[in-house]
Amino acid sequence: DSGVTQTPKHLITATGQRVTLRCSPRSGDLSVYWYQQSLDQGLQFLIQYYNGEERAKGNILERFSAQQFPDLHSELNLSSLELGDSALYFCASSVTPTSGYEQYFGPGTRLTVT
Amino acid sequence: TQLLEQSPQFLSIQEGENLTVYCNSSSVFSSLQWYRQEPGEGPVLLVTVVTGGEVKKLKRLTFQFGDARKDSSLHITAAQPGDTGLYLCAGDNQGGKLIFGQGTELSVKP
Repeated sequence: DSGVTQTPKHLITATGQRVTLRCSPRSGDLSVYWYQQSLDQGLQFLIQYYNGEERAKGNILERFSAQQFPDLHSELNLSSLELGDSALYFCASSVTPTSGYEQYFGPGTRLTVT
Repeated sequence: TQLLEQSPQFLSIQEGENLTVYCNSSSVFSSLQWYRQEPGEGPVLLVTVVTGGEVKKLKRLTFQFGDARKDSSLHITAAQPGDTGLYLCAGDNQGGKLIFGQGTELSVKP
């Protein structure tokens, strides 16, 4: 158990819908990262937050947004869902966003868009 | 665009054999992490290497970071069925944004 929690574990929804994925980092970690894992793209970095502020963006679509709240939990919002958004979404956390600090991953949310 | 190339993509071996997985890039990374992932679960951190030339051992697993910090290898001695899984390398040089390799799917048969 990494100490990072994610809910829900599974999510099935229809195209065009909007969903929210939730992540709670390990106790003491201030930085949260979101990643998407699909069969054809592998694990791709989406976005990073540190202590409530957005710090870095990766290959995140405009239909996707995220935020980190004062209690440090984070939410990833996916809207206007398409079939291609079906994937595993992982949250990771680390003490700081500085290079060399390990990232610990949550169990993931499997999103299926039908 | 930074890329990490992992090889081989798939590896099927018998219990007791040795194996090496490679992770190569043309880019320099300030650190490199190795993860192991089981189907439907999150990646589990195995090790972080930071210094060029660094070697770290975790029981039967040996990790090496290249002198130029562009490549890394994972060597498993006397593989066991419990080693089966997806092994991922990930490079970090932008304040925590990890660049992942495509992974090596390892199957160890009894």
